[in-house]
Amino acid sequence: DVKVTQSSRYLVKRTGEKVFLECVQDMDHENMFWYRQDPGLGLRLIYFSYDVKMKEKGDIPEGYSVSREKKERFSLILESASTNQTSMYLCASSSGVGWYEQYFGPGTRLTVT
Amino acid sequence: GEDVEQSLFLSVREGDSSVINCTYTDSSSTYLYWYKQEPGAGLQLLTYIFSNMDMKQDQRLTVLLNKKDKHLSLRIADTQTGDSAIYFCAESIAGGFKTIFGAGTRLFVKA
Repeated sequence: DVKVTQSSRYLVKRTGEKVFLECVQDMDHENMFWYRQDPGLGLRLIYFSYDVKMKEKGDIPEGYSVSREKKERFSLILESASTNQTSMYLCASSSGVGWYEQYFGPGTRLTVT
Repeated sequence: GEDVEQSLFLSVREGDSSVINCTYTDSSSTYLYWYKQEPGAGLQLLTYIFSNMDMKQDQRLTVLLNKKDKHLSLRIADTQTGDSAIYFCAESIAGGFKTIFGAGTRLFVKA
């Protein structure tokens, strides 16, 4: 059974804190993605990675960075959390060869106060 | 730029058919998808259609693609309360690597 796990389901942080969101997949997928989901806006791509140590900016990378040191793990970092980063964060992975179904984790609901 | 649009809310009675509509802008899309998100969960692929197909049927689900109008629809026959969820339309672009998602349609099924 394919699996994408995220380190926390719910997280509350203070403005200015550094926040780490972790994602792990067990499918040996090359591609991994971080999205944020906001009501009425759907999913917006923050960053993606197509290989270890490789990363590409998505549509809304400002205020975020990522790290992919191992194939199975993709971390999203908020260097200095702000209230407008309160959102649901979804991690996904895909094999990237031929078929591009993305497998999603359950999401992390981050609240920045 | 790339964009996927869909209405935000649909309400139907149990047993009726639901039709969720979507429009997309990138004519070079390879695949078009429907994902389902149940409360408290991530998205899960529900069905998909290749861009060279007009229709795909999978049990209670029918996907229709009008490539000329860049219009995609998902029909759920005999809608059940368990079908209540958010349904996301998505298209693959950039040779299939990048996926653009719509805002999601919240389907509410009245018993």
